[in-house]
Amino acid sequence: KNEVEQSPQNLTAQEGEFITINCSYSVGISALHWLQQHPGGGIVSLFMLSSGKKKHGRLIATINIQEKHSSLHITASHPRDSAVYICAVGMFTSGTYKYIFGTGTRLKVLA
Amino acid sequence: EAQVTQNPRYLITVTGKKLTVTCSQNMNHEYMSWYRQDPGLGLRQIYYSMNVEVTDKGDVPEGYKVSRKEKRNFPLILESPSPNQTSLYFCASSLRRGEKLFFGSGTQLSVL
Repeated sequence: KNEVEQSPQNLTAQEGEFITINCSYSVGISALHWLQQHPGGGIVSLFMLSSGKKKHGRLIATINIQEKHSSLHITASHPRDSAVYICAVGMFTSGTYKYIFGTGTRLKVLA
Repeated sequence: EAQVTQNPRYLITVTGKKLTVTCSQNMNHEYMSWYRQDPGLGLRQIYYSMNVEVTDKGDVPEGYKVSRKEKRNFPLILESPSPNQTSLYFCASSLRRGEKLFFGSGTQLSVL
């Protein structure tokens, strides 16, 4: 079992729909990151969370530390939101600090 | 403009021919790291550096070397590339470990 699991792997939505992408992890973390990777390949950081909820425009990210679960919500989705969304956790382990990434959720928003 | 500059964008080479992928950031970030991205496996950390002259192995360090002689630069060196190192590589930096990550534009490497 992967230490960071995302669901769904693929998601197709109609423009305007409310979208939720989930991330579950099995390790103790210091922070969780949501990243966006566009078809051209570039990666952009959307959020960094250690507790609670953050909002930026139409994007909302939440984290529940006790349940080891985070969600990324997109309200009023638009075709330009089409991308791969990646969950990553940062953790201290054996005296080092490492990142573990989920395999991503590929989102396609249709006009 | 605050950015992480990674070069080259595309690289095709042959087995055994040493190569270097450069990474530079202009944000005075302490933490820099290298990742490879393979289909079905996602991003995996190769090496990271928490400051000048401080580097450590990530999950997949075999076949790679790094150095951090200056704060802004963190090159990735493949001394003797092999076909299993064909991958998409990303450099990233953050002000300190655990903080928001800034990624370079990626290097698509093919080793023939």
